[in-house]
Amino acid sequence: DTGVSQNPRHKITKRGQNVTFRCDPISEHNRLYWYRQTLGQGPEFLTYFQNEAQLEKSRLLSDRFSAERPKGSFSTLEIQRTEQGDSAMYLCASSSGLPSGNTIYFGEGSWLTVV
Amino acid sequence: DQQVKQNSPSLSVQEGRISILNCDYTNSMFDYFLWYKKYPAEGPTFLISISSIKDKNEDGRFTVFLNKSAKHLSLHIVPSQPGDSAVYFCAASTYNFNKFYFGSGTKLNVKP
Repeated sequence: DTGVSQNPRHKITKRGQNVTFRCDPISEHNRLYWYRQTLGQGPEFLTYFQNEAQLEKSRLLSDRFSAERPKGSFSTLEIQRTEQGDSAMYLCASSSGLPSGNTIYFGEGSWLTVV
Repeated sequence: DQQVKQNSPSLSVQEGRISILNCDYTNSMFDYFLWYKKYPAEGPTFLISISSIKDKNEDGRFTVFLNKSAKHLSLHIVPSQPGDSAVYFCAASTYNFNKFYFGSGTKLNVKP
């Protein structure tokens, strides 16, 4: 399978705990995006990496959210001190960044439920 | 700020007929547009895209039309099949592709 891979697929956590999601993009894709989606809404942009550089970050992203892409390959999204409002599907997407490769391809998503 | 809007939350079409899904945007700097299909509990699946230099792009049963003056795009599915029943999202980006803006989706139901 050469698609975008996300782990874990489901996570249930207690309010106040920290959670971390991992994303492995399509091989050699240098652009990586994180989105969040709640029921009845479209994907909401969180952050964007080009290689290891975080070039764009949503103003809506609170300080409890942090993302890294240390070697320009996989990425992690950490949510500290989770709140019930963080319950959502967290989506990762990647693109090649080549002139003909601007389409972003999504992974299966990671469901977060905060209880 | 909702820069991409899908004003129809749902659409029901008979199998074999045409499905037309609409999308409006407000940012005239958008340069690249895409449509995705999403099943419950799965990530969005890319369907078709169009750049602002074109007004039409076709791929099999799927055709996307772009009207830049009206800031409107549409997705035509012909003929519609029951397997097309899903939520469809349109998305747009400016030339730097740092961020893609998504609409809120239209749920398509194709009746056998």
